[in-house]
Amino acid sequence: QKEVEQNSGPLSVPEGAIASLNCTYSDRGSQSFFWYRQYSGKSPELIMFIYSNGDKEDGRFTAQLNKASQYVSLLIRDSQPSDSATYLCAVMDTGRRALTFGSGTRLQVQP
Amino acid sequence: GAGVSQSPSNKVTEKGKDVELRCDPISGHTALYWYRQSLGQGLEFLIYFQGNSAPDKSGLPSDRFSAERTGGSVSTLTIQRTQQEDSAVYLCASGLRNTEAFFGQGTRLTVV
Repeated sequence: QKEVEQNSGPLSVPEGAIASLNCTYSDRGSQSFFWYRQYSGKSPELIMFIYSNGDKEDGRFTAQLNKASQYVSLLIRDSQPSDSATYLCAVMDTGRRALTFGSGTRLQVQP
Repeated sequence: GAGVSQSPSNKVTEKGKDVELRCDPISGHTALYWYRQSLGQGLEFLIYFQGNSAPDKSGLPSDRFSAERTGGSVSTLTIQRTQQEDSAVYLCASGLRNTEAFFGQGTRLTVV
């Protein structure tokens, strides 16, 4: 069983819409959660991290965490074609204290 | 340096040869990760170093793969007797304990 699950997509949204990306994880004790963005042919880059239940906003990005449901999401408001990329969810494993990544969701923002 | 540096950027090698991939982490970062990403696929965990603790090698796919980290800084990933299925982008990331990690630009390995 995979430890971090994401829908592979592609998720297609029109420009200006809200994109919602979801991630579930199996380690109930996990405390730290991260979202990375990866453009084609490039390395992943960190865009958000969240440690506490609730919402965390940074510009057009909002991370949401629900530890009881073992669920973390990323909302992108006013989506732009430049947001088209693969979004990777990562969870800090409580056992080995290493980052475990989901397989990523490909987002396509249509102009 | 300002970021994680990996070398070489690209490596083409003949099947059966050994290769060494290098990672220079961000100064002061105690955590160092190696991941592998095949074309169109997600990140495959290989190995994790944290300070002076024994590395977590649970992701290494075979005994042809090994890695070391000298002086808590530079790391080298070695692949012996390379096979075509080893062709992938090898990504290194570094961070502080229990926090986010920052990636290097990766090494694209092609085994011909």
